[in-house]
Parts: sequence; structure tokens; C-alpha cells
Amino acid sequence: GNSVTQMEGPVTLSEEAFLTINCTYTATGYPSLFWYVQYPGEGLQLLLKATKADDKGSNKGFEATYRKETTSFHLEKGSVQVSDSAVYFCALSDWGSARQLTFGSGTQLTVLP
Amino acid sequence: GAGVSQTPSNKVTEKGKYVELRCDPISGHTALYWYRQSLGQGPEFLIYFQGTGAADDSGLPNDRFFAVRPEGSVSTLKIQRTERGDSAVYLCASSLTGDEDGYTFGSGTRLTVV
Repeated sequence: GNSVTQMEGPVTLSEEAFLTINCTYTATGYPSLFWYVQYPGEGLQLLLKATKADDKGSNKGFEATYRKETTSFHLEKGSVQVSDSAVYFCALSDWGSARQLTFGSGTQLTVLP
Repeated sequence: GAGVSQTPSNKVTEKGKYVELRCDPISGHTALYWYRQSLGQGPEFLIYFQGTGAADDSGLPNDRFFAVRPEGSVSTLKIQRTERGDSAVYLCASSLTGDEDGYTFGSGTRLTVV
């Protein structure tokens, strides 16, 4: 079956530090890959996505590249801000699974001023 | 509406009771999903509706859980004989066509079974 493993948190960084959150996946087909973000008190929001190998998704300064050879989709940002403090979820969708999303367990990020 | 609305936002119930959780999707969205998020975990798929019918209910944990969407809009997740292990945040999402690119999640209903 499908599964997503992501870096355990919590992660605490100072403002302007470099961020990496690791994500690896197992899938039976050719999945699309996603990063979702959950800000305090808000619903899950799509941050970025990639639908095929070597695609790079990007949004709000965050980037992730779909690496089929290493089955990874690591999230990076060059300079984090306090407002980036949130829980980040890596997820995949295998269209053979009726479009359902399989999520990782989430990584709590806290950015200190 | 502008977003996916879930009510109530919080529900506390006694073990063994019946509960209903409501989801109002974005108007015109044909696809609707229910997920369950336990503390410290990512959301887990429960059920997917395309229109009025359940296209995939493989994530429902047992026969105490049931969901309906009779008119292809509002959906209700029903849990019978609640157990303490059912305590979680129940998330609803909708999309225009079922393409995961366009998922919009609600803020969830936090269910606590005491």
C-alpha cells in the first residue's frame, strides 16, 4: 500500500535560517506529491505540489522536487519567517486509490524571532 | 459559501452515544471527502463522495461509521455507539471535480468521547 514518512519534529529555527523537512514515500503507482500546511487554528492548506518525476513545486518561498530515484519530496526554504510557524504535512495521491490522499504524520515548525 | 464549513467545531459526547458531524462543501463542488486526524498524526482517509454516491468508503474503520450525502451537497458523518478511541478531529474537504489539486479543507470538528 501507499505510505508517507516524514521527518519527526518538532523543529525549532531562528528567523532567516534554512529549512529542510524530509519526506519519503512508498507507492504502488505513479503518485502526485504534495505539501500541506496547517497554521494554528486553521484548516489544511495546499502549499505546493508536483505531479511527475523531476517536477519542482514552489510557493511562498518553499520548494520541493519530486525525486523518483530516491522516492523523496523534501521541503526547503532558504530563509524562514516567524509567520511560517505551522505544522507541515507531506502527502501523496495515487489515482488508483480513488484520489484519496495519504498523509505523513506532520512536522511542527516553530520559528523564533 | 466561501469555504468548507464544518459543524459543530467541537463536540463532547459520552461513550456509547450517537453523534452526527456536518460538512457544508463549497457550492458546486461535486467531490467530498472525510478524513480523521488523531492527535499527533496526519489525516487518514475515511470516505469519498462523487455527487450523492460514496465512490470509495474503504477508509471507514468499522460499521459504526456511516456517511451520507443525499442531495450531493451537504454531507453528514454518523458515528454510532461512540468509543473513546473515536476521539479525533474529523476533517471534510471538497473539490470541483475530484482532482486533488483543488481540495479545500474545512477547519474540522474536534470530537471528544468521555
